[in-house]
Amino acid sequence: DSGVTQTPKHLITATGQRVTLRCSPRSGDLSVYWYQQSLDQGLQFLIQYYNGEERAKGNILERFSAQQFPDLHSELNLSSLELGDSALYFCASSSGRGRNQPQHFGDGTRLSIL
Amino acid sequence: QQQVKQSPQSLIVQKGGIPIINCAYENTAFDYFPWYQQFPGKGPALLIAIRPDVSEKKEGRFTISFNKSAKQFSLHIMDSQPGDSATYFCAASSAGGTSYGKLTFGQGTILTVHP
Repeated sequence: DSGVTQTPKHLITATGQRVTLRCSPRSGDLSVYWYQQSLDQGLQFLIQYYNGEERAKGNILERFSAQQFPDLHSELNLSSLELGDSALYFCASSSGRGRNQPQHFGDGTRLSIL
Repeated sequence: QQQVKQSPQSLIVQKGGIPIINCAYENTAFDYFPWYQQFPGKGPALLIAIRPDVSEKKEGRFTISFNKSAKQFSLHIMDSQPGDSATYFCAASSAGGTSYGKLTFGQGTILTVHP
């Protein structure tokens, strides 16, 4: 058990809809990272937050947004969903203190768009 | 320049064999190279990581070899067991600039260890 909790485990919805994925980092970790895993693109970095502030952005679509709350949990919001958004979405956390701290992953949310 | 290339895509070995997975990178700013293991239905789990100031790191049955001049690194699994059957990902990150440690992953290697 990595200590990173993601909910829900599975999400099935339709095109055009909006969903929210939730992540609780390991106790004491200040940094949260979001990654997308798909068969064709592999594991891709989306966005990082550190102690409530956005720190780095990857290939995240404009339809996607995220935030980190004062209690350090994070949410990834996906809107105007398209079939191609079907993927596994992972959250990872690290202490955020010091260089290149290990990132620990949750078990992901599997998003299926019908 | 941000890519990490991983090979092979899949690998089958017998129990006790030594599977080797290779990765190559272009970005010389990368300064942290972790390996992750992923089982079906689970998230990637950190196995072992290396920084470019050492050429080899061993943890249990897992060894990373690192060649800075060739910009390559590899994972060796000694005395492989059927329980090691999983997908393995190499990754790289840089603490500098605007990277803040975001991981760039290889495409993954599906390892099967036969009893």
